[in-house]
Amino acid sequence: KQEVTQIPAALSVPEGENLVLNCSFTDSAIYNLQWFRQDPGKGLTSLLLIQSSQREQTSGRLNASLDKSSGRSTLYIAASQPGDSATYLCAVRPVGGFKTIFGAGTRLFVKA
Amino acid sequence: DGGITQSPKYLFRKEGQNVTLSCEQNLNHDAMYWYRQDPGQGLRLIYYSQIVNDFQKGDIAEGYSVSREKKESFPLTVTSAQKNPTAFYLCASSMGGGPYEQYFGPGTRLTVT
Repeated sequence: KQEVTQIPAALSVPEGENLVLNCSFTDSAIYNLQWFRQDPGKGLTSLLLIQSSQREQTSGRLNASLDKSSGRSTLYIAASQPGDSATYLCAVRPVGGFKTIFGAGTRLFVKA
Repeated sequence: DGGITQSPKYLFRKEGQNVTLSCEQNLNHDAMYWYRQDPGQGLRLIYYSQIVNDFQKGDIAEGYSVSREKKESFPLTVTSAQKNPTAFYLCASSMGGGPYEQYFGPGTRLTVT
């Protein structure tokens, strides 16, 4: 059974710091891994989608990597800003089904 | 603007009443999903639909029902049989299963007292 774990559960950093959020999954048979951002009381916004054949994706100050063999992904945020404060969720789509498995998220607070 | 709309944003109901949450998408996606989110937990899948007039139970379907009569619409009914209905409900869609990206609506917060 696929499980997704995100560490840490919460993180507080000063503005300008580079940071890494971690996501691990137990079964490497996945179509893709997706990173989302969620602001309080809002829906999920897709940040990056990494297909199983890819190693990383970049968008602006965000870079996500995928290592299927070790069941790990990292989301790197460069030069963090207070506007980056949100909960970040990772999710995997296992091969053979329609279900997507989500982690519980990392709540990020960037202090001005 | 293409996207997913959910209404209402907030919904309050008394125990014992059924309530229907709306989800509409204009992305021309075949697949649609309903998730439930509780504080400190990941999203849990309630129901999903791969195509019009077809839907399957997810991990926590008890006490919920859905219909998929139109491609763009996937309403969720929370019945009185759902023991703990107070939660944040999120609708999503994708082009299909497999490697496709999921897109989410803004959510509906349901409070049952």
